[in-house]
Amino acid sequence: DQQVKQNSPSLSVQEGRISILNCDYTNSMFDYFLWYKKYPAEGPTFLISISSIKDKNEDGRFTVFLNKSAKHLSLHIVPSQPGDSAVYFCAATHRAQGAQKLVFGQGTRLTINP
Amino acid sequence: KAGVTQTPRYLIKTRGQQVTLSCSPISGHRSVSWYQQTPGQGLQFLFEYFSETQRNKGNFPGRFSGRQFSNSRSEMNVSTLELGDSALYLCASSWGAGATYNEQFFGPGTRLTVL
Repeated sequence: DQQVKQNSPSLSVQEGRISILNCDYTNSMFDYFLWYKKYPAEGPTFLISISSIKDKNEDGRFTVFLNKSAKHLSLHIVPSQPGDSAVYFCAATHRAQGAQKLVFGQGTRLTINP
Repeated sequence: KAGVTQTPRYLIKTRGQQVTLSCSPISGHRSVSWYQQTPGQGLQFLFEYFSETQRNKGNFPGRFSGRQFSNSRSEMNVSTLELGDSALYLCASSWGAGATYNEQFFGPGTRLTVL
C-alpha cells in the first residue's frame, strides 16, 4: 500500500525555468510533509517542509504547496539551476504515530538542461 | 560538526549469512532511524531508536533488528540474508523523538549486496 506517491519517475526542465514536482498521499492522518533531495552516493538532504495547518511554505527558490482536500503537495523550484539535478523525494509523517517515522514516495529524478 | 557516518559503505554477503551495519549520529543527536532503499520499493522505514529504546518499527520481518548504545550509536542486524535484502541502508539522526518532528540528517548509506 503506497501511502505516498510520486507518479513521475523523471522530469526534465530547462535551466532558468520552473520545475514542478508533484506528490500525492492517501493517509489523511499525515500532518507534516517534507521534501528531500538526493545526489548519487549520498544520503537524502532535507530541503523544505510544511505543516498541515499551512498551504504554502517558501524558502528561497523553493516553495512547497499543500492541498489537503486533494491530498496533494508540490515542490516548485524557480529558477531551476544545473545543481538542482538530483532525485527528489517527498515524505510524510503524523504525530500520533511518532513523527520520526517518515513515509517516502518513490522519488522523481529531476534533470536541469543548460 | 561531523555528519552522520555509516560503516561499512559497501558490503557483499551470501544468502543465509547475517550482517551488522553501524551508524554514528551527529554529536548531540539522540534519535537514530534506519531506512531501506530499493529500486522497487523506494525508501522504507525500518525502525527508530531513542535513548537506547526502540520507539517505532516499520513493517519488516523479525530478521531485521537493531539496537542503540548509550552514546547514541546504533547498529542494525539482518539475519539469514535473502537476495531481496540487497539494498542501500540509510541511517538518519535527529535531536529528539516522539510527536514533534525533528529534522532528520541522513548518512551516506551502506550498500549491501546479497549473492
